[in-house]
Amino acid sequence: QVQLVQSGAEVKKPGASVKVSCKASGYTFTSYDINWVRQATGQGLEWMGWMNPNSGNTGYAQKFQGRVTMTRNTSISTAYMELSSLRSEDTAVYYCARGNRLGQQLVYRYWGQGTLVTVSS
Amino acid sequence: AIRMTQSPSSLSASTGDRVTITCRASQGISSYLAWYQQKPGKAPKLLIYAASTLQSGVPSRFSGSGSGTDFTLTISCLQSEDFATYYCQQYYSYPPVTFGPGTKVDIK
Repeated sequence: QVQLVQSGAEVKKPGASVKVSCKASGYTFTSYDINWVRQATGQGLEWMGWMNPNSGNTGYAQKFQGRVTMTRNTSISTAYMELSSLRSEDTAVYYCARGNRLGQQLVYRYWGQGTLVTVSS
Repeated sequence: AIRMTQSPSSLSASTGDRVTITCRASQGISSYLAWYQQKPGKAPKLLIYAASTLQSGVPSRFSGSGSGTDFTLTISCLQSEDFATYYCQQYYSYPPVTFGPGTKVDIK
């Protein structure tokens, strides 16, 4: 079965960077885009961007341009999301998500369990 | 970016009630709309995509309708496990994919 397993919670100081991992299993990693969505406590869902694990191509929400980098290691079926210049407003749960099936890459059927990133001095 | 709005932002209902949630897009998105259910501390769960297609395994009491700019999610007979927050999402025009602000359904 398809699984996305994320790395554990992080506590960072303002100005630092965080790198969250998302290990995929149960399917061919390079066949489906990985998207990242975040959710501040008590708030809604915010899409950050996508990455094609086959080509490494990425697309980021304008809000995060220049601060976010999405990469992958195909040998271990793992995607990464790195966010730099952290500020308190970046405190949130970060999710990786995969599409329902080919041709529905933006319909998120599969989600990681979420990674809480806390930014605090 | 396409802006998604939802109404109401919250509602109180009883088990057995029929519940309707509305989602509106700031411009036409054809039927490129999905609905998700999220419970506290959990990742969202896909309920409906293409505005009205029920995801496999989702109970048939959930249904979706609409196209263009106006959409609805209906729960025909609310069950205890349906108390949650519901989000709509457009995937017609991206980046960015955008979500509605959510509708919290709680117990009356």
